[in-house]
Amino acid sequence: GEDVEQSLFLSVREGDSSVINCTYTDSSSTYLYWYKQEPGAGLQLLTYIFSNMDMKQDQRLTVLLNKKDKHLSLRIADTQTGDSAIYFCAERAGRRALTFGSGTRLQVQP
Amino acid sequence: NAGVTQTPKFQVLKTGQSMTLQCAQDMNHEYMSWYRQDPGMGLRLIHYSVGAGITDQGEVPNGYNVSRSTTEDFPLRLLSAAPSQTSVYFCASSYPQNNEQFFGPGTRLTVL
Repeated sequence: GEDVEQSLFLSVREGDSSVINCTYTDSSSTYLYWYKQEPGAGLQLLTYIFSNMDMKQDQRLTVLLNKKDKHLSLRIADTQTGDSAIYFCAERAGRRALTFGSGTRLQVQP
Repeated sequence: NAGVTQTPKFQVLKTGQSMTLQCAQDMNHEYMSWYRQDPGMGLRLIHYSVGAGITDQGEVPNGYNVSRSTTEDFPLRLLSAAPSQTSVYFCASSYPQNNEQFFGPGTRLTVL
């Protein structure tokens, strides 16, 4: 079956860059996503990348995809305290629902 | 548009009780799904529906039933609640091939 894995915790200082990593096993994944969840809230889509792309940039967010290694990363430039949240990696193949990783808790220290 | 709405926000049940978690969307999305979120385990798919009258099982369907009589509504039923069903439940909707799933705010369920 499909599997998506992430490290559980990342701590950075305000103003530094954050890099959150994710690996997945399903080689037929067509879309890969990054969601953000703030405490007590639902999930908010941050960005996504199609599997035939290597990189996608959206303001402070950069997504890198290494399809050969099935590795996805999210880089947040100039990390702010408001970026503190849990970040979920997810993948989708065809019409199947999303398969989520267990989430990475990002702590931003002032 | 209200987006995806879920009720109730919080619920406490006793073991063996039944209840229905409500989910509705006003975006005319064909695809709706239910996830549960447990600490350290991300979101796991319970059931999903690709359109009215069509439902299918996800990764963890046992103990849950769903129906999809209309495009807008996708209720999740617990027939006999168990402590293992204590979790936060999220409903989501999208167009089938759309890149974005819209999530509801979640229902926090505790089973004693």
